[in-house]
Amino acid sequence: DADVTQTPRNRITKTGKRIMLECSQTKGHDRMYWYRQDPGLGLRLIYYSFDVKDINKGEISDGYSVSRQAQAKFSLSLESAIPNQTALYFCATKPGTGDYGYTFGSGTRLTVV
Amino acid sequence: GENVGLHLPTLSVQEGDNSIINCAYSNSASDYFIWYKQESGKGPQFIIDIRSNMDKRQGQRVTVLLNKTVKHLSLQIAATQPGDSAVYFCAETLGGKLIFGQGTELSVKP
Repeated sequence: DADVTQTPRNRITKTGKRIMLECSQTKGHDRMYWYRQDPGLGLRLIYYSFDVKDINKGEISDGYSVSRQAQAKFSLSLESAIPNQTALYFCATKPGTGDYGYTFGSGTRLTVV
Repeated sequence: GENVGLHLPTLSVQEGDNSIINCAYSNSASDYFIWYKQESGKGPQFIIDIRSNMDKRQGQRVTVLLNKTVKHLSLQIAATQPGDSAVYFCAETLGGKLIFGQGTELSVKP
């Protein structure tokens, strides 16, 4: 089993629909992150969480919300999806101490039509 | 706004040659840097890292160079192989966050 699991792997949804992307981890890491990747660009940070009670906005949080339901679970929601949210979404985890040890999930490809 | 697809910088090398991929980072306060490899349809894969108190670090077939004066990182891949074909990203850490650069697409010709 993967250390960081994202579901679904692929999703097509209609404009205006609410959608949730799930991330779960077995690493025991405190920190979790959601990134978005568009063609030709690097990953951009949407939201991050340093522990269960902590939620922080990243550089592109508008139109998104998150929930850290447990240490192992961090979900990303699009309340009302729009076409320019079509992208590849990655979840990552990291231990609470030190700079190193980031682990990425395999990504969720989201298409909003 | 609209997402406009950008063309990644590309580097094409012959199999067996050495590759050098460059990256400019943005924040002089960043103190830890990572190079990632991303293959199509997959998440970023760690290659090598370096702390700001170093200027060079070597791994297996890879070397990272850090020039803090001009905020520049480079990744050198020795004896490049077809399996090295991928997009390579540098990333800097700041305040517990990982910030990615744009990326370079490496294409290895057999």
